[in-house]
Amino acid sequence: RKEVEQDPGPFNVPEGATVAFNCTYSNSASQSFFWYRQDCRKEPKLLMSVYSSGNEDGRFTAQLNRASQYISLLIRDSKLSDSATYLCVVIRTGANNLFFGTGTRLTVIP
Amino acid sequence: SAVISQKPSRDICQRGTSLTIQCQVDSQVTMMFWYRQQPGQSLTLIATANQGSEATYESGFVIDKFPISRPNLTFSTLTVSNMSPEDSSIYLCSVEGGVGYEQYFGPGTRLTVT
Repeated sequence: RKEVEQDPGPFNVPEGATVAFNCTYSNSASQSFFWYRQDCRKEPKLLMSVYSSGNEDGRFTAQLNRASQYISLLIRDSKLSDSATYLCVVIRTGANNLFFGTGTRLTVIP
Repeated sequence: SAVISQKPSRDICQRGTSLTIQCQVDSQVTMMFWYRQQPGQSLTLIATANQGSEATYESGFVIDKFPISRPNLTFSTLTVSNMSPEDSSIYLCSVEGGVGYEQYFGPGTRLTVT
């Protein structure tokens, strides 16, 4: 079983829509969780960390459910500039490297 | 976050040759990481490079194929040796952010082996 699993999409949504991405991780000892954004032919960039209490940054909300080993990212009021691949990333306790999901591709349509 | 640069940004190489990729950070960092991202795939860790010690390689990657240097706290190199078309990929270096183990990535080196 993969360390991190994501729905690859693609998700094609109209501008202004709300879209949610999900991610599951296999190791219950996992400690830190992130969402990264990767634009075409660019490096991944940190979008936000994910905390058990949930966290929000503008139009973006991330949630962590440790019991279900599940992470989510909600994007409200989608903009054309949100079009990218969103990578779910997990760090296992004691490890110092990241486990990447395969990414979910989002295209926001005018 | 740290500013990370990589050289070259891209290269086209013949099979059987080697390419050394450089990664420069604008601040001192303990750990640097090298990743590979094959076309249409997510990132796979190649190795972790600490200054003053041998790099630690992940399963499926060996030092003879991917030798790494880490001569100081701001610089590292990755060499892709005896290249084959299967090595065509994007190679990225990264450093830890230092707060919650998040990492920041260089712009990547796009390698094509013909």
